[in-house]
Amino acid sequence: GAVVSQHPSWVICKSGTSVKIECRSLDFQATTMFWYRQFPKQSLMLMATSNEGSKATYEQGVEKDKFLINHASLTLSTLTVTSAHPEDSSFYICSAPGGGSMGQPQHFGDGTRLSIL
Amino acid sequence: GENVEQHPSTLSVQEGDSAVIKCTYSDSASNYFPWYKQELGKGPQLIIDIRSNVGEKKDQRIAVTLNKTAKHFSLHITETQPEDSAVYFCAATPGAGKSTFGDGTTLTVKP
Repeated sequence: GAVVSQHPSWVICKSGTSVKIECRSLDFQATTMFWYRQFPKQSLMLMATSNEGSKATYEQGVEKDKFLINHASLTLSTLTVTSAHPEDSSFYICSAPGGGSMGQPQHFGDGTRLSIL
Repeated sequence: GENVEQHPSTLSVQEGDSAVIKCTYSDSASNYFPWYKQELGKGPQLIIDIRSNVGEKKDQRIAVTLNKTAKHFSLHITETQPEDSAVYFCAATPGAGKSTFGDGTTLTVKP
């Protein structure tokens, strides 16, 4: 079945560091991928929609310059948290619609737990 | 935009009992309703879904019902087992649009 791989699974770094998270669709092409942030015991908060070959679409209140998204190929999207601070610590999850089409089941990565010291 | 409400937020059942989680949505254009299970430290995994042209769907111990008129859909788990313990999310998706997720239900199955 469709698999989405997300790396790294866990990152601890110092304040001010930039962190890159990768999301790959392993056996299907994804023109669209989604990036979520999840706080403990809370729901998935959509941050942005990553579009292959074009600019990402950010949700209201999400800083574009803080959370840089690049979707350079049909199987890879990256999220870079720039100059990360403790308040950026969270669980970040990516997903891709099955078959690359919207309105399909989403296939999620296993998430990246980011801890900023 | 779409608004999805999910209840209850927590649910505790005895092993072997049934569990029911309910969701309501607001956008009549929504026509795809998946349910996801999220285990601790993992990403959500699809467990069952239903489209608006179907009223009920079953897969072994799991079933989903949809009432389009009332704009609500429910997840039913029968003969619960400890490994069913997890957080469950419902979602509503309009056409080719983005899914809107409920706030999640933490299910605990006591052995």
